[in-house]
Amino acid sequence: QLQLQESGPGLVKPSETLSLTCTVSGGSISSSSSYWAWLRQPPGKGLEWIGTIYYSGSTYYNSSLKSRLTISVDTSKNQFSLNLGSVTAADTAVYYCGRLQKPGTFDYWGQGTLVTVSS
Amino acid sequence: QSALTQPASVSGSPGQSITISCTGTSSDVGSYNLVSWYQQYPGKAPKVMIYDVSKRPSGVSNRFSGSKSGNTASLTISGLQAEDEADYYCCSYAGSTTWVFGGGTKLTVL
Repeated sequence: QLQLQESGPGLVKPSETLSLTCTVSGGSISSSSSYWAWLRQPPGKGLEWIGTIYYSGSTYYNSSLKSRLTISVDTSKNQFSLNLGSVTAADTAVYYCGRLQKPGTFDYWGQGTLVTVSS
Repeated sequence: QSALTQPASVSGSPGQSITISCTGTSSDVGSYNLVSWYQQYPGKAPKVMIYDVSKRPSGVSNRFSGSKSGNTASLTISGLQAEDEADYYCCSYAGSTTWVFGGGTKLTVL
């Protein structure tokens, strides 16, 4: 059974960089049929797709976040990561990592991790 | 990428059927048969209930069904049960390997 687990700081100061890692277990991140995604949900609000990465390193970003966003993959560790720079309170959210199974289903999700942006 | 439009809330009595709409544009819902629906309980991660407009993952009740007409996709839940009370989100491929979600619909079982 595939499992995903987010890890990283729960509190980030304004203007700093939010960094999270997703560890994939029970399957290979190098699967040709899968992309790997970051999504988020501000408190009391809806879901937002942040971006997606393929095991080869190809990345696809939400245009509204692109200028501040970097997603990377480490196939040797079966992990992928999120870096979001210059954060503000508007970036406070539960961040989820997930698998995007081709052609287009987010079929596995991590449990989510709350990241608060505050001084 | 603008969010897909869903009603903020819907309600129904046990045993009834309800339908949740998800309206997009000709650039997302209208152009691709890659609409999925997610159920989310408070404090939990979303779970896929419908994918590729109308396909059900293994283990999902056949009371859940999906359809699409033009720029609007729909999720129908028949034989409503108390356990169906949750938030529901639609999601569509929007081209160029990007994805857009709806704002979410809170389903209340009366």
